Amino acid sequence: LAKTTQPISMDSYEGQEVNITCSHNNIATNDYITWYQQFPSQGPRFIIQGYKTKVTNEVASLFIPADRKSSTLSLPRVSLSDTAVYYCLVGPHSGGYQKVTFGTGTKLQVIP
Amino acid sequence: GAVVSQHPSWVICKSGTSVKIECRSLDFQATTMFWYRQFPKQSLMLMATSNEGSKATYEQGVEKDKFLINHASLTLSTLTVTSAHPEDSSFYICSARVGAGRGDGDQPQHFGDGTRLSIL
Repeated sequence: LAKTTQPISMDSYEGQEVNITCSHNNIATNDYITWYQQFPSQGPRFIIQGYKTKVTNEVASLFIPADRKSSTLSLPRVSLSDTAVYYCLVGPHSGGYQKVTFGTGTKLQVIP
Repeated sequence: GAVVSQHPSWVICKSGTSVKIECRSLDFQATTMFWYRQFPKQSLMLMATSNEGSKATYEQGVEKDKFLINHASLTLSTLTVTSAHPEDSSFYICSARVGAGRGDGDQPQHFGDGTRLSIL
């Protein structure tokens, strides 16, 4: 399983763009990169997933360089409700079975 | 779509009691479900992988006789904490993944909202 490394915590003011980078140097060819958001006492919520280049949805963008050894989650114009822990996951794919390991995550604190 | 429901959301019970937690995929079939445990201010720790119709695969250090997992159908997996003790108090979270071996390997896991277990 690919190990991921993220900053433990980040602070940002409301309205700013936040970029959280994740390192995954030993990512495998079939691995996908997935980001989740978790609020206290809740299960993780899927944000975005990608394999290479750039992926964008209604809440975030995911940038993945050509070597795929890192990825960056970009949250545009954060609000107080974006205060949460963000996890970067890299998972193997084999016959549809995907087992992943959660890293430490990044605790994002949005400041008024 | 892709909703995972977990029940109960919170349970308090006496030491020695067995507690069952249910995990259901409401609008999709999940051949594989995962069970995690999370202590305060820590990350999720994978306990076991639950496969429909077969025995669960436990992670190293997780007692299979302590944490019984049953995946009887494509939409339901249960975790039973047997003879629970205060050290078993934790936040238990399940997840399920859409599809299996049908070219949909890029489907992410979808998580339930967790079960807070408190053993007195």
